Amino acid sequence: DVKVTQSSRYLVKRTGEKVFLECVQDMDHENMFWYRQDPGLGLRLIYFSYDVKMKEKGDIPEGYSVSREKKERFSLILESASTNQTSMYLCASSFSSLDRGGTDTQYFGPGTRLTVL
Amino acid sequence: AQSVTQLDSQVPVFEEAPVELRCNYSSSVSVYLFWYVQYPNQGLQLLLKYLSGSTLVKGINGFEAEFNKSQTSFHLRKPSVHISDTAEYFCAVSDRSGGGADGLTFGKGTHLIIQP
Repeated sequence: DVKVTQSSRYLVKRTGEKVFLECVQDMDHENMFWYRQDPGLGLRLIYFSYDVKMKEKGDIPEGYSVSREKKERFSLILESASTNQTSMYLCASSFSSLDRGGTDTQYFGPGTRLTVL
Repeated sequence: AQSVTQLDSQVPVFEEAPVELRCNYSSSVSVYLFWYVQYPNQGLQLLLKYLSGSTLVKGINGFEAEFNKSQTSFHLRKPSVHISDTAEYFCAVSDRSGGGADGLTFGKGTHLIIQP
């Protein structure tokens, strides 16, 4: 089974702190994604990566950055956390369907519920 | 650009009754379509997906969905729901040409509430 793990289930930080959210997948997937989930808004894509050291902005990248130094690990960074970044953060991964003949199925981690005070 | 509309934010249903969760999408290109389920305090789990071929897709836990290209819809159905089906359901679309690397576009979700 595909496994996507996230470093914390719950996290509480203070305004202005630098926050790291870590995600690791064990299926050799090329693509990795970070979403945030808010009530009534569904999931919104923050950043994604289709290869090591490659990153692309999603729909709401402002206030976030990412790092992908190894294929299995994708980190989301909040440089200076703000209260409007209080949310559930979900990481996902998938094969690249063009290279592998796979599908676009994304596999999700359990999520990190971040509270910024 | 793609968009997904889930027409109902909340659907209450009695146990053992049938249910349909509606999803419409807009896209200028061919797409893949997905339904995910999220149980309380968990991540998203794939229920079913449409890639090509038969327009009726069967998934896990007795769910099925029908792709209707002319109506740009992908409604999710189950003939008889159980209390354990209480969850948030998300419809999602992906551009076929992107190789999956540009993420999924999700609807805002439908909360399915099963009443005993």
